Amino acid sequence: QKEVEQNSGPLSVPEGAIASLNCTYSDRGSQSFFWYRQYSGKSPELIMFIYSNGDKEDGRFTAQLNKASQYVSLLIRDSQPSDSATYLCASGGSGGYNKLIFGAGTRLAVHP
Amino acid sequence: ETGVTQSPTHLIKTRGQQVTLRCSSQSGHNTVSWYQQALGQGPQFIFQYYREEENGRGNFPPRFSGLQFPNYSSELNVNALELDDSALYLCASTRTSRSGANVLTFGAGSRLTVL
Repeated sequence: QKEVEQNSGPLSVPEGAIASLNCTYSDRGSQSFFWYRQYSGKSPELIMFIYSNGDKEDGRFTAQLNKASQYVSLLIRDSQPSDSATYLCASGGSGGYNKLIFGAGTRLAVHP
Repeated sequence: ETGVTQSPTHLIKTRGQQVTLRCSSQSGHNTVSWYQQALGQGPQFIFQYYREEENGRGNFPPRFSGLQFPNYSSELNVNALELDDSALYLCASTRTSRSGANVLTFGAGSRLTVL
């Protein structure tokens, strides 16, 4: 069973701190990895994706990928209360079509 | 505005009934996929359509079926509804980024409650 694992949380951080969200994946054939943010009662919205080993930065967000360790992370700098949401990690899989395999998500709570 | 529109937003059905959910995707995005998200879980892939043909399916029984139309709109049909079918159903269109990654954009979802 090809899986993506995430800690369910909640991860609680103070406003202004760095939030670190992690996930691991089992399919070594996965080529691309995605982070989605989902507010309660809403649909997932894409934050960023990464497909090369190393770091990718976009504003306050940095995605990190380590294919040897099968590990993906998302760092959120200067966390704001509006960042409080569930963060879903997904792998692009190796099935030959556009299927994403999602983890169950990590709930992040940023408190003032 | 995501460019992916789903209807209805909420609906309630009883066990054994049938339901049709609809999706209208962005112009030019000829690949549409459907996901089921149960409460507290991540979305699970149901199936994908490309140019009106199903070209990928997840671990869902045949009572989950779909259609894609020439204008790239899509339907998800579920027959013989069960209580466990209660979930948020998400439609997604796919675009290919400049880097070659296939990026999914989700609609707002249809929340189905089966009583």
